[in-house]
Amino acid sequence: EPEVTQTPSHQVTQMGQEVILRCVPISNHLYFYWYRQILGQKVEFLVSFYNNEISEKSEIFDDQFSVERPDGSNFTLKIRSTKLEDSAMYFCASSRTGVTQHFGDGTRLSIL
Amino acid sequence: GDSVTQMEGPVTLSEEAFLTINCTYTATGYPSLFWYVQYPGEGLQLLLKATKADDKGSNKGFEATYRKETTSFHLEKGSVQVSDSAVYFCALYFGNEKLTFGTGTRLTIIP
Repeated sequence: EPEVTQTPSHQVTQMGQEVILRCVPISNHLYFYWYRQILGQKVEFLVSFYNNEISEKSEIFDDQFSVERPDGSNFTLKIRSTKLEDSAMYFCASSRTGVTQHFGDGTRLSIL
Repeated sequence: GDSVTQMEGPVTLSEEAFLTINCTYTATGYPSLFWYVQYPGEGLQLLLKATKADDKGSNKGFEATYRKETTSFHLEKGSVQVSDSAVYFCALYFGNEKLTFGTGTRLTIIP
């Protein structure tokens, strides 16, 4: 069964550094998402992306965050200048119809 | 705004026990409802879904029925196994492209 793949599985970064999290969505999907889960808390929506543009974003997704689909297969989340509070598990998801979303295994981001 | 309230965990049961994890939602219309499961060290896997009132989603022995009158989508399984130990998330989707998740319920099954 096709799946969403995320790399790396764990990223350790110094505070203030830029980080890029990578995702390969399921190949025939059109909608792409990033969510995050701070340890012990609920999964929170960050951003959705459709037709090569952001379609919705949450309050969390401020100017430090950006997303890109640089080619036909990858979907990336960039955090420009990381803060301690960015430490979390980041999940990528994709959907063919925009309703049922399929998630990757996540990237654990640790900011030191 | 839209929200999901889940039963507080953790929940610990013996193998072959009956499981119910409660989930209720608040929304201004009729969302689609989902249960996701997160096994230790893994990502979120879609367990089951229901897209309209009175629909029943089912998978791997788990069931949940979309109850409009009680705005609920409780997860049930008749006989749990050790391999069902995981965190279960209830979520809703309301046409605004994002899933809204509950806080998750950690389930541990004892042999």
